[in-house]
Amino acid sequence: IAGITQAPTSQILAAGRRMTLRCTQDMRHNAMYWYRQDLGLGLRLIHYSNTAGTTGKGEVPDGYSVSRANTDDFPLTLASAVPSQTSVYFCASSESRDSSGELFFGEGSRLTVL
Amino acid sequence: GQNIDQPTEMTATEGAIVQINCTYQTSGFNGLFWYQQHAGEAPTFLSYNVLDGLEEKGRFSSFLSRSKGYSYLLLKELQMKDSASYLCAHMDSNYQLIWGAGTKLIIKP
Repeated sequence: IAGITQAPTSQILAAGRRMTLRCTQDMRHNAMYWYRQDLGLGLRLIHYSNTAGTTGKGEVPDGYSVSRANTDDFPLTLASAVPSQTSVYFCASSESRDSSGELFFGEGSRLTVL
Repeated sequence: GQNIDQPTEMTATEGAIVQINCTYQTSGFNGLFWYQQHAGEAPTFLSYNVLDGLEEKGRFSSFLSRSKGYSYLLLKELQMKDSASYLCAHMDSNYQLIWGAGTKLIIKP
């Protein structure tokens, strides 16, 4: 089934370690997003990409970086993890950012930073 | 500023009807979305409203009033599988989605 694949699904890591969350989509969508979801809060946008080769900052970008070398892949990197980055991370895609098109979400990556 | 509010939790009975409200304040508006999220799973798209009025899709309907900054999701003939969180989000003038914290809907037999 076509869609978005995230890896890993769950990870525990020590503070200060570097971590990359992988995201791949096979729908040829132009726009991709990384959100974090915390209890009691709405989904918050970390970074986005309108198209391959471009990225932009969302609402909570500090401590995170992304790249978009091609259409399909949009990895999220935590350069030096901190406990406040403990969260569930969702990758999503849509046909384009400036449209009414629905977002398609990956299954999420549960990250715990100790 | 931008803000979006929805109730934290609601309880309803199987077979009944429930209305989940969402209010928002925004400096620009490009549509209102509803998503369903079962516990431990990804959100999935339910509806999109950009014009005032009611959009019906099977057992689910979504309503929008732009002048009042108000939307609701109406679920009819509730089934146990409808137990989930329902996320309201509006798209601002920069085409960024602003998400509510979600309403956890509990369905009782």
